[in-house]
Amino acid sequence: GENVEQHPSTLSVQEGDSAVIKCTYSDSASNYFPWYKQELGKRPQLIIDIRSNVGEKKDQRIAVTLNKTAKHFSLHITETQPEDSAVYFCAAKDDYKLSFGAGTTVTVRA
Amino acid sequence: NAGVTQTPKFRVLKTGQSMTLLCAQDMNHEYMYWYRQDPGMGLRLIHYSVGEGTTAKGEVPDGYNVSRLKKQNFLLGLESAAPSQTSVYFCASNPGAGAISSSYNEQFFGPGTRLTVL
Repeated sequence: GENVEQHPSTLSVQEGDSAVIKCTYSDSASNYFPWYKQELGKRPQLIIDIRSNVGEKKDQRIAVTLNKTAKHFSLHITETQPEDSAVYFCAAKDDYKLSFGAGTTVTVRA
Repeated sequence: NAGVTQTPKFRVLKTGQSMTLLCAQDMNHEYMYWYRQDPGMGLRLIHYSVGEGTTAKGEVPDGYNVSRLKKQNFLLGLESAAPSQTSVYFCASNPGAGAISSSYNEQFFGPGTRLTVL
C-alpha cells in the first residue's frame, strides 16, 4: 500500500516568515495530494490540493508543489500569521482512499 | 446541510464492553471512511466503504467491524473494547469516482468521537 512520510514533525517560525513542509509518497499510481489543517480539538480541514497532472498550485498565502518523478510534494506558507499555528497533514490518494503523513505541528511566534 | 455528523461525541468504556459509533452524511456521497487519530501518528484508516452494502479493510482493521446498510450511514463497531483502542475516531465521506462535482476527490470529515477505554 501507499506510504507517506512527512517532515519536519514540528516547525517553529517567526511571524511573517515562510514555512515549508515536505512529504514523500511511495505509490506512483497516487494521483491526488491534499493538505489538511487541524486545529486543537477540531476536525481536519482541507486547505489546498493538487492533482498529479499539475506541478504547482497557489491560493493566496499557501502553495503546493508536486514532483511526480521524485514522488514528493511540499506545502509553502508565506507571511505566516498566528492563526496559521496548527497541525498540518499531507496525504496521497490511490483508487478509493487517502494515506496520511504523521503531521507537522506548526507554531508561529509573535 | 449538516454535512458529516458523528454520534456520540465522547464515550468512556470499560475493557471488554462493546459499542457502536454512528456516522451520517446528507450529501449523497458514495464513499465513507473511518479513521483513528493517535498523537504523532496522523490519521490511520480502519475501514471504508465505496457504496451501500460494501465494506473493505483499511490499514488498522483489527478489533473493529463496520456496516453500510444505508448509503447515508456508516457504523463502526467495537465488539470487545481494549485500552489500545483509546483514540479519537473520525468519519469522512467523499462524493465518489462517478461524481460530476469538481470536489469528487475531497474528503469531508465529521467532528470526531473521543473514546477512552479503561
